[in-house]
Amino acid sequence: QVTLRESGPALVKPTQTLTLTCTFSGFSLSTSGMCVSWLRQPPGKALEWLARINWGDAKHYNTSLKTRLTISKDTSKDHVVLTMTNMDPVDTATYFCARTPRGYGGYDEFDYWGQGTLVTVSS
Amino acid sequence: QSVLTQPPSVSAAPGQKVTISCSGSSSNIGSNYVSWYQQVPGTAPKLLIYESNQRPSGIPDRFSGSKSGTSVTLGITGLQNGDEADYYCGTWDSSLSAYVFGTGTKVTVL
Repeated sequence: QVTLRESGPALVKPTQTLTLTCTFSGFSLSTSGMCVSWLRQPPGKALEWLARINWGDAKHYNTSLKTRLTISKDTSKDHVVLTMTNMDPVDTATYFCARTPRGYGGYDEFDYWGQGTLVTVSS
Repeated sequence: QSVLTQPPSVSAAPGQKVTISCSGSSSNIGSNYVSWYQQVPGTAPKLLIYESNQRPSGIPDRFSGSKSGTSVTLGITGLQNGDEADYYCGTWDSSLSAYVFGTGTKVTVL
């Protein structure tokens, strides 16, 4: 059974750094093709993809946010961590992590999602 | 920002059919497979269609996907109250090396 769960602070102050952890089970991020992404959704707005890390440790980032994001994985602990620097109130959103079982060849679908965690940026 | 364009909303009576369009470019829809996601407000998105026209196990055949050039379409037949949700298309953009989503479409069952 595949599961993903996001964890991290519910409230951060402007200019602080946000660190989110995606803890997953039921699959291995060492399996060829496997990827985990972070995504977010501001209240009432559309989904936005943030970053992805794959089985070979290749990383891709949203071009608009690239300078603020870092994604990493701890395969032995089944964790993927996202850090986002210089948080601003516009970054208030529900943050999701999701699995991609075939991160190659133009497939790239997200087949399993975490439930999401709401992060509010406010002083 | 959303790279793929969808209509903001569509609606129909129970039992009827709706279609949702998603328009992109040669670097995304034109060269990669597209997925569709259903999101009931307050919950995580759910994969509805992958590889532009394939349904995951458990998704009824009332949902269908098609692709033509740089556009895709999601069709929902036999509309049910439970289909009220937001629907998003998404795909990899080979020029951006990033995943991109549509603007989202709200489906209302009248």
